[in-house]
Amino acid sequence: NAGVTQTPKFRVLKTGQSMTLLCAQDMNHEYMYWYRQDPGMGLRLIHYSVGEGTTAKGEVPDGYNVSRLKKQNFLLGLESAAPSQTSVYFCASSYVLAALREQYFGPGTRLTVT
Amino acid sequence: DQQVKQNSPSLSVQEGRISILNCDYTNSMFDYFLWYKKYPAEGPTFLISISSIKDKNEDGRFTVFLNKSAKHLSLHIVPSQPGDSAVYFCAASAPGNPNFGNEKLTFGTGTRLTIIP
Repeated sequence: NAGVTQTPKFRVLKTGQSMTLLCAQDMNHEYMYWYRQDPGMGLRLIHYSVGEGTTAKGEVPDGYNVSRLKKQNFLLGLESAAPSQTSVYFCASSYVLAALREQYFGPGTRLTVT
Repeated sequence: DQQVKQNSPSLSVQEGRISILNCDYTNSMFDYFLWYKKYPAEGPTFLISISSIKDKNEDGRFTVFLNKSAKHLSLHIVPSQPGDSAVYFCAASAPGNPNFGNEKLTFGTGTRLTIIP
């Protein structure tokens, strides 16, 4: 099992450019998440999905869009990148169990917007 | 409003001694707590969790203690090893749909643990 994988690992964008980050999981998890990590801020939830075809906003959704067309994939899009979106992005997935809420994380994508 | 707080940004501990990482929370609805470990350039990995119906959970060298009245939890690592040097995140979850659980975790800002050989 590869677990949770993220593509790409690194990316540099110019302000105003667009890009899509891809997350894939092979654990048959229902839930998937996108977080960003900034120095001194911990992990902040951008968007999440509770199943194929459904998405919801997290704590910091502005400037991002997501799609979950297939259960195993969760895409994060930046339509017009801004320097404030320079961050490390993590994807995660989890089971649908009240007694088992651990999330499994990918290795991260380091994005720099100049 | 930071609902999960890790007030110590860093901690240094001698190898072989006990490491104690602390976490405070403000939301009384939280009923499940987790600790994650993160190495540089890697994603966080799950370490240990505890439900609010317990006050202690142990897994090898790692023990998590929960004090609900103080809204405080701590992670004890005994004995500390050089490979334990990492950033540790505390996270919490509130009950959601009784059939499907809760889909969201709230994370603290992390504590960087350095084990001194």
